[in-house]
Amino acid sequence: SQKIEQNSEALNIQEGKTATLTCNYTNYSPAYLQWYRQDPGRGPVFLLLIRENEKEKRKERLKVTFDTTLKQSLFHITASQPADSATYLCALTGSSGGGADGLTFGKGTHLIIQP
Amino acid sequence: EAQVTQNPRYLITVTGKKLTVTCSQNMNHEYMSWYRQDPGLGLRQIYYSMNVEVTDKGDVPEGYKVSRKEKRNFPLILESPSPNQTSLYFCASSPQGYYGSPLHFGNGTRLTVT
Repeated sequence: SQKIEQNSEALNIQEGKTATLTCNYTNYSPAYLQWYRQDPGRGPVFLLLIRENEKEKRKERLKVTFDTTLKQSLFHITASQPADSATYLCALTGSSGGGADGLTFGKGTHLIIQP
Repeated sequence: EAQVTQNPRYLITVTGKKLTVTCSQNMNHEYMSWYRQDPGLGLRQIYYSMNVEVTDKGDVPEGYKVSRKEKRNFPLILESPSPNQTSLYFCASSPQGYYGSPLHFGNGTRLTVT
């Protein structure tokens, strides 16, 4: 069956260090992979999208990699700050398109940046 | 300001009493969707709409109805709510419902059914 796996345990990182979050998937052939940030009780906020033919995407302190051979995406936050503390969700879109109607979310990783 | 607006933010109701959660977006997006989020289960899609008058079931549609009579509005209807529908609900929209179009989410509706 299709599965998206993110670390269910909270990730504690010291301020200023790089935080790396992992998203692994099985039985998908995603054309796109997205990362969202979610704060408690709020809706997810879109951060980055990476396509299957892209290895890496950057936006300010954020970097996403996408390895379709390993079936894995890594999400990096460099020079992390306490304000980066949140839950981060990865989401996949199937290669058949259907776009957002086929968007499936992982359960998210809770990131805590310690001052 | 571009946004997805859900109302109400909090709702407590009793089993069997019909309710509607409204969702409106001001970005002229074609695609809209409803999700529920439960601890340990993550976000699960209830229904989606690719455009006006076009709706389809997501992963967990049982017990819910939707309609899309206008582009901006996508209400979620619970005809006879039950306690297992207690959850945090999110409405989302995107410009087009394909090719990985990023979703814009509302701030959620926390529903409790007693």
